[in-house]
Amino acid sequence: EADIYQTPRYLVIGTGKKITLECSQTMGHDKMYWYQQDPGMELHLIHYSYGVNSTEKGDLSSESTVSRIRTEHFPLTLESARPSHTSQYLCASRGSLNTEAFFGQGTRLTVV
Amino acid sequence: AQKVTQAQTEISVVEKEDVTLDCVYETRDTTYYLFWYKQPPSGELVFLIRRNSFDEQNEISGRYSWNFQKSTSSFNFTITASQVVDSAVYFCALSERTTDSWGKLQFGAGTQVVVTP
Repeated sequence: EADIYQTPRYLVIGTGKKITLECSQTMGHDKMYWYQQDPGMELHLIHYSYGVNSTEKGDLSSESTVSRIRTEHFPLTLESARPSHTSQYLCASRGSLNTEAFFGQGTRLTVV
Repeated sequence: AQKVTQAQTEISVVEKEDVTLDCVYETRDTTYYLFWYKQPPSGELVFLIRRNSFDEQNEISGRYSWNFQKSTSSFNFTITASQVVDSAVYFCALSERTTDSWGKLQFGAGTQVVVTP
């Protein structure tokens, strides 16, 4: 069983609020990823990290930001939430290139 | 350009029928990895199988089987004798070793499988 956790699972928040989605893994993986997914639709990579102090933007432009101060922790922040940010956010980690990525349970964000 | 194509948006079957999900990928790399994930209605992504580009051996795991063919750049997935619990969205993914893709999993659009009793 994968040891990667996301909190909160569900979040309903008002427009303009600042939010941080948490993602932690206890597997010591260097590589971590954030994907955005609308229900039943494809996954879009929005951020990734290859290790501490390494962050890169993904293939889909996002107004969110990430940080990687510790190996196990990869939080995602939205400074000012908008209804267009409503989506599911999935965090993943991977130990090496020839292994699978492990996914957290996701955070379903609704901005009203 | 899309690297992973899952042309089937949705497949509906009656329980006990077999269902095959197609996955076609595109890469110039000689070393790459292919994956299948299942996403049930609860939303989490469940890893099913990993295959590297040097291993074309087909694999069977219970009711699941995979057919990897480099000649056609395909990595198809078959569920035999489908069950209602197989209802989910299934994603195929590719990981390359090129510099700009290092470590990133590129997903297809997914195929929704609906199994009715």
